[in-house]
Amino acid sequence: AQKITQTQPGMFVQEKEAVTLDCTYDTSDQSYGLFWYKQPSSGEMIFLIYQGSYDEQNATEGRYSLNFQKARKSANLVISASQLGDSAMYFCAMREAPQGGNNRKLIWGLGTSLAVNP
Amino acid sequence: NAGVTQTPKFQVLKTGQSMTLQCAQDMNHEYMSWYRQDPGMGLRLIHYSVGAGITDQGEVPNGYNVSRSTTEDFPLRLLSAAPSQTSVYFCASSYRHSHEQFFGPGTRLTVL
Repeated sequence: AQKITQTQPGMFVQEKEAVTLDCTYDTSDQSYGLFWYKQPSSGEMIFLIYQGSYDEQNATEGRYSLNFQKARKSANLVISASQLGDSAMYFCAMREAPQGGNNRKLIWGLGTSLAVNP
Repeated sequence: NAGVTQTPKFQVLKTGQSMTLQCAQDMNHEYMSWYRQDPGMGLRLIHYSVGAGITDQGEVPNGYNVSRSTTEDFPLRLLSAAPSQTSVYFCASSYRHSHEQFFGPGTRLTVL
């Protein structure tokens, strides 16, 4: 069965420093996608970044990058130059992507709470 | 472009009552889904739809019904509310071939 593990319930980082949020996954499928979402205290879920299992390069979106290590089944989120507005919950999620299928079902981790200190 | 809208934002029900959580999107997305978010449990998929007239069950469908009569709307019905359904409910939508799901602001439901 698919599973997402986020081992860090809470993290602290100083403003302007980089931080890595861990995510490991378990799947027997060869084709899958990995996602990171941000949930600020206001409650909405915000899509940050996506990595496909066949993508050769690590995904990047502005200050966000995904450190994808397929053999270790890890998909860590790296936030560079942290800002106060980065304080939020961060969720890692995975989706199987069967060939020809239309699977949009995401399996979610329990999240990591990030606090950025001034 | 309002994105994904959900109503109501807050709701308190008594055990046994029924109600419908509304979700609408104006982006012509084929795919829509309902999640519930509980402390320590993460987000869990309740039901989803890949297009008008097509729905399917997620991880935790019991006690909930959905329908998709139009592309825009995907209401979630609680048939007979139970305290175990106290949660925050999120609706999400996406294009069929897009990786990004857009989430609504959530509905906080309390069942007494």
